[in-house]
Amino acid sequence: AQSVSQHNHHVILSEAASLELGCNYSYGGTVNLFWYVQYPGQHLQLLLKYFSGDPLVKGIKGFEAEFIKSKFSFNLRKPSVQWSDTAEYFCAVDGNNRLAFGKGNQVVVIP
Amino acid sequence: DAGITQSPRHKVTETGTPVTLRCHQTENHRYMYWYRQDPGHGLRLIHYSYGVKDTDKGEVSDGYSVSRSKTEDFLLTLESATSSQTSVYFCAVGTGDDEQYFGPGTRLTVT
Repeated sequence: AQSVSQHNHHVILSEAASLELGCNYSYGGTVNLFWYVQYPGQHLQLLLKYFSGDPLVKGIKGFEAEFIKSKFSFNLRKPSVQWSDTAEYFCAVDGNNRLAFGKGNQVVVIP
Repeated sequence: DAGITQSPRHKVTETGTPVTLRCHQTENHRYMYWYRQDPGHGLRLIHYSYGVKDTDKGEVSDGYSVSRSKTEDFLLTLESATSSQTSVYFCAVGTGDDEQYFGPGTRLTVT
């Protein structure tokens, strides 16, 4: 079964700072990789996804993620965060038509 | 918005009572999923369905059962609610090999 690790569960940063969230997974087969975001009081929404091809994936709201197969990683980045990026971020791995989620990163952006 | 509704949105119930949560979709997705979200645990899969009357267990299925008699509806039943089942429950739908779309969630409190 697949598993996902996310580190630095709580991140506090100021507006305009850069953000990087780490995601490592373990799975023996071909995987599809996702980052979801959950704004306060809302449901999960897709930020970006990787299936194949260019390992640098661009998503919505200026987010991007890089798939590094040799490191089993799919780290999320944003060069300059805004207050509206305050949310919880989840990395997920799809294997066998089931998603395995990491425990999430709670990100707070201070104006 | 993938046309997913969940009912009820909030429920308070007593220990030992049965509870049924409903997920309804309008997009005819084959796969439907039930997750629970708890602080520090991320999202954990309870049960999922890959077609009418076809269901399978997730990682935290004990104490839960599901049914899917129609493509559009996926029911989650807590056979005898316990305080450890106090959580936020999310339904999701998908094609099985791509992103999942999440419903608005049901906040369940077991007293």
